[in-house]
Amino acid sequence: QKEVEQNSGPLSVPEGAIASLNCTYSDRVSQSFFWYRQYSGKSPELIMSIYSNGDKEDGRFTAQLNKASQYVSLLIRDSQPSDSATYLCAVREPGGSYIPTFGRGTSLIVHP
Amino acid sequence: EPEVTQTPSHQVTQMGQEVILRCVPISNHLYFYWYRQILGQKVEFLVSFYNNEISEKSEIFDDQFSVERPDGSNFTLKIRSTKLEDSAMYFCASSRLAGGKLTDTQYFGPGTRLTVL
Repeated sequence: QKEVEQNSGPLSVPEGAIASLNCTYSDRVSQSFFWYRQYSGKSPELIMSIYSNGDKEDGRFTAQLNKASQYVSLLIRDSQPSDSATYLCAVREPGGSYIPTFGRGTSLIVHP
Repeated sequence: EPEVTQTPSHQVTQMGQEVILRCVPISNHLYFYWYRQILGQKVEFLVSFYNNEISEKSEIFDDQFSVERPDGSNFTLKIRSTKLEDSAMYFCASSRLAGGKLTDTQYFGPGTRLTVL
C-alpha cells in the first residue's frame, strides 16, 4: 500500500513569512511529485511538479525533493492571506500508470 | 482558458437510487479521470479512461460504478445503487498527450458534491 503522509495542520504563519509544507512517501521507486492547492470546497489545482533531487523554483513557490530520504517539501515565500488553503502532496510511480497517490493535505492559514 | 466542467454542482439522492455525474473535459484532451474525496479525507482515484475504454480502475470502482463517453464531449460516471458511503465530492479530470506521450498535468473540474440520504 503506497502511503503519502502529510501533517494535517493547520500551519499558521503571518503574512510575509515563509510557509514550509512537508510530505513523506513510502514507495521508494516513486518518480514524480506534485503539489496541489485546494481551497475549501474547490477542486485541486496543480501548482508545482518536481522529478529530480534538489530545488525547483516557480515564483514564490519552491519545491524540494530528496529521494534518499523520501521527502518532498513546498516553500511559499512572502505568504499572502490568499495562500490560505489545503496543500496536497501527490506522488506517482514510474511506468505506465499516470495515477498519483494523494496525501491528506496540510491546511495553511496565513494571517494578516 | 479552457476548463473542465461538471454538472450538477450538487446532487442529492436517496439511498439505492442511480445517479449520473457529468463532465465535459477540455476539448483536445484524450485521457479522462474520475476521483472522489470524502469530506476531510484524501483525494482517491476511481478510474481512468482512454480511447473509449477503461485504462485503469481502483478497488473502489466496483460493479456499482460505470463510465461512459456517450458523445464527443461528455464523460459520465454512473453510480447504480447509491449507498450512504458514496457521499463525497466527485472530481473529473483530463490530461493531454504531448509528443505522443501522456502528460503529467491533470486539470480538475470543479466537482460534484453527491449527498446520499
